[in-house]
Amino acid sequence: DSGVTQTPKHLITATGQRVTLRCSPRSGDLSVYWYQQSLDQGLQFLIQYYNGEERAKGNILERFSAQQFPDLHSELNLSSLELGDSALYFCASSPRGRQGAGEQYFGPGTRLTVT
Amino acid sequence: GIQVEQSPPDLILQEGANSTLRCNFSDSVNNLQWFHQNPWGQLINLFYIPSGTKQNGRLSATTVATERYSLLYISSSQTTDSGVYFCAVVRIGTASKLTFGTGTRLQVTL
Repeated sequence: DSGVTQTPKHLITATGQRVTLRCSPRSGDLSVYWYQQSLDQGLQFLIQYYNGEERAKGNILERFSAQQFPDLHSELNLSSLELGDSALYFCASSPRGRQGAGEQYFGPGTRLTVT
Repeated sequence: GIQVEQSPPDLILQEGANSTLRCNFSDSVNNLQWFHQNPWGQLINLFYIPSGTKQNGRLSATTVATERYSLLYISSSQTTDSGVYFCAVVRIGTASKLTFGTGTRLQVTL
């Protein structure tokens, strides 16, 4: 158990819908990262938050957004869902936010299926 | 961006055999991690090893940062070692995002 929790474990929804994925980092970790794993793109970084502020952005679509709350949990919002958004979404956390942010620990993932 | 290449892409071993997985990266890094993704999709941390050598039971890893590669050694493999092994790096001078390789798929048979 990495100490990072994600809910829900599985999500099945229809095209055009909106979903919210939730992540709680390990105790004491200030950085939260979101990654997407799809069959065609592999594991890709989406976005990082550090202590409530956006720190870095990767290949995140405009239809996706995220935030980190004062209690440090994070949510990833996916809207206007398309079939191609079906993937495994991972949250990770690390102690710090900058270069040398430390080891990243991954949650169990949320498997999203868009039908 | 940084390129991360892993070899071999696929590996089939008999239980008890040893193996070496390789990760090459194209730029200087300050973080390198090895993960095992099990058949249920979980990403399990194996090593945090930006440089040097570490051992954990039957697994060990070595990163030679100056030559931009890392090796993961699995000894006396077991069927529970099956899954996909990923190498991931953070390039120096960028944010802390991990860039993943495409993985090595390992199948250990009886």
